[in-house]
Amino acid sequence: DAMVIQNPRYQVTQFGKPVTLSCSQTLNHNVMYWYQQKSSQAPKLLFHYYDKDFNNEADTPDNFQSRRPNTSFCFLDIRSPGLGDAAMYLCATSRDMSTDTQYFGPGTRLTVL
Amino acid sequence: AQSVAQPEDQVNVAEGNPLTVKCTYSVSGNPYLFWYVQYPNRGLQFLLKYITGDNLVKGSYGFEAEFNKSQTSFHLKKPSALVSDSALYFCAAGAGSYQLTFGKGTKLSVIP
Repeated sequence: DAMVIQNPRYQVTQFGKPVTLSCSQTLNHNVMYWYQQKSSQAPKLLFHYYDKDFNNEADTPDNFQSRRPNTSFCFLDIRSPGLGDAAMYLCATSRDMSTDTQYFGPGTRLTVL
Repeated sequence: AQSVAQPEDQVNVAEGNPLTVKCTYSVSGNPYLFWYVQYPNRGLQFLLKYITGDNLVKGSYGFEAEFNKSQTSFHLKKPSALVSDSALYFCAAGAGSYQLTFGKGTKLSVIP
């Protein structure tokens, strides 16, 4: 089945230690998104790629970076995680932008010690 | 700026009764509207969307939603609730751009 896969599902890191979360998709969608979701809150868009074009949200901290080496994979790098970065990180894809449905992966829950 | 309001943090309904989860939105231009459901420690699952056409949209698992332009609402409904419907429900809205704005979510509890 076509799907959005996130690894790992649970990630524990130490304060200030860089961490990378990964997302892959078999849907062959053009757009990949990264969202941050804190406990029982709305998902907050961090950035997205349309193909290789990177689009950063204005309020996304510089501590968060992303890479998309090919259509199928997208990575979220947190350079120096703080306690406030503990959250669920959701990857989503859509065929195109605007009205197309976004399909979400299961998420990676990040704990910062 | 876009905004989505889900006025109820929690909705409780008895199993077998109809359920409604409310959503109102504010966007510039013609809206496109989505409902997603989230189970604990899982990603969001798409339920249904409105882009254009019939105001009553039918989606997965027996859910439907009605688009009301004059009231800028897009309430989610189901005629007969199941215990397995208990989850967190998110409404999302956008207009003319990629960015969806999500509501803060409504926790639905279906009581056996």
